[in-house]
Amino acid sequence: NAGVTQTPKFQVLKTGQSMTLQCAQDMNHEYMSWYRQDPGMGLRLIHYSVGAGITDQGEVPNGYNVSRSTTEDFPLRLLSAAPSQTSVYFCASSSNQLYGYTFGSGTRLTVV
Amino acid sequence: AQSVTQLGSHVSVSEGALVLLRCNYSSSVPPYLFWYVQYPNQGLQLLLKYTSAATLVKGINGFEAEFKKSETSFHLTKPSAHMSDAAEYFCAVSENSNYKLTFGKGTLLTVNP
Repeated sequence: NAGVTQTPKFQVLKTGQSMTLQCAQDMNHEYMSWYRQDPGMGLRLIHYSVGAGITDQGEVPNGYNVSRSTTEDFPLRLLSAAPSQTSVYFCASSSNQLYGYTFGSGTRLTVV
Repeated sequence: AQSVTQLGSHVSVSEGALVLLRCNYSSSVPPYLFWYVQYPNQGLQLLLKYTSAATLVKGINGFEAEFKKSETSFHLTKPSAHMSDAAEYFCAVSENSNYKLTFGKGTLLTVNP
């Protein structure tokens, strides 16, 4: 059972470039979300989805775009990378709040 | 709106000593509460959760937490620290009406030999 798989693990971008962070889960979870982790800030919610075709904004959505065309995949797109988006990004999924959330191993992104 | 406050960004204990990591929450409805652990350069692993059943919750690796509604707290404890407990710990809350998980800023636990 792979759980939540994030790719790539590391990425360096130049300011203004765009890219997509991939997230896939094989547990048939309806709920998926993206967080960013910055030192001293904990994890902050970027976007989330409660099922295929349904997405919504979290606490820090600016500069990011998401879509959910299948239950398994929830990619995060950076439209025009900025140094402020340098962070570690985590994807998480859940079938039910009672069971908690499963996290991926993260993508470390550096924007120069 | 839901929020979490973790008191102490860094806690240092000796091996064998009691571990106490503090978490207070704010929620307008009955909350679900979670503790996660993050080892260096890894993702988050669920330690334990409170979902309105027993107020004293036992988790993995000997950790437990007690939900106290009157104090809006969910502190994490372990009777005897082990070197392998050194990690960052995050408290998180979600309201049972939605799936959004709000995290505290984390507490880095150092265990000294």
